[in-house]
Amino acid sequence: EIVMTQSPATLSVSPGERATLSCRASQSVSSNLAWYQQKPGRAPRLLIYGASTRATGIPARFSGSGSGTEFTLTISSLQSDDFAVYYCQQYHKWPPRTFGQGTKVEVK
Amino acid sequence: QVQLVESGGGVVQPGGSLRLSCAASGFTFSGYALHWVRQAPGKGLEWVAFIRFDGTNTYYADSVKGRFTISRDNSKNTLYLQMNSLGAEDTAMYYCARDLSGTGDFWGHGTLVTVSS
Repeated sequence: EIVMTQSPATLSVSPGERATLSCRASQSVSSNLAWYQQKPGRAPRLLIYGASTRATGIPARFSGSGSGTEFTLTISSLQSDDFAVYYCQQYHKWPPRTFGQGTKVEVK
Repeated sequence: QVQLVESGGGVVQPGGSLRLSCAASGFTFSGYALHWVRQAPGKGLEWVAFIRFDGTNTYYADSVKGRFTISRDNSKNTLYLQMNSLGAEDTAMYYCARDLSGTGDFWGHGTLVTVSS
C-alpha cells in the first residue's frame, strides 16, 4: 500500500498570503495525484488531478505541482473561502486509493 | 447538473447489516465508474470500494473486504453498498463519488452510519 504523508498538519495563514501544502508518497505515483478541499460538514471537492490540472470551475489561484513522490498545492492569495482541510490522494497503484491525513489551513 | 444523493444510513447494532444507496442524476450514469469513500467522525478520508461503469469489476479496501459489497443498477441510476458484520470501526459518513480519470470529481453529501449498541 502506498502511504501518503501531508505536511504540515496545520497551516496558519493570513488572508491574501500564499499557502504551500506538501504531500509525499512512500513510492512513486507518477502524476496520478489529486487534491481535494473539504469544509466542515461538507463533502470533499476536487481541486486538482493529474498533479497539476485544475478541475472544472476551480480558480486559478489554486495550482498543483510535482511528480513521483513529492507534490505541492499552492494557493497564491488566500481568500476567506479557502480556509478548509486539504487532502491529497494517489490513484497510481491501487487498490487501495490512499489519501493523506490532511492539512488544515486556518486563519492566522 | 450532476447530483449524487446518498441514503440508507442510520444506527445499527454491532454485527448488523445496512444497505446504502446513491441515486445519480444529471449525467450518463452507465458511462462512469463510481466509488464509496468514508470518513469517521473527526478523521480523514478512507477509500472503501470501486465499481466499473458496467459493474464487471469491483475493488475493496482490506478493511471491508469480505464484509461489504458494492453494486450498481444502471437501469435505476443507482449505486449500492451492502455492509455486513458491522463494527464500531465502520462508524462514519459514507460518500459516493463519480470517477474521473481515477479521482472523484463529484461527490454526494454523504449518509451517516453509526454502529452502536
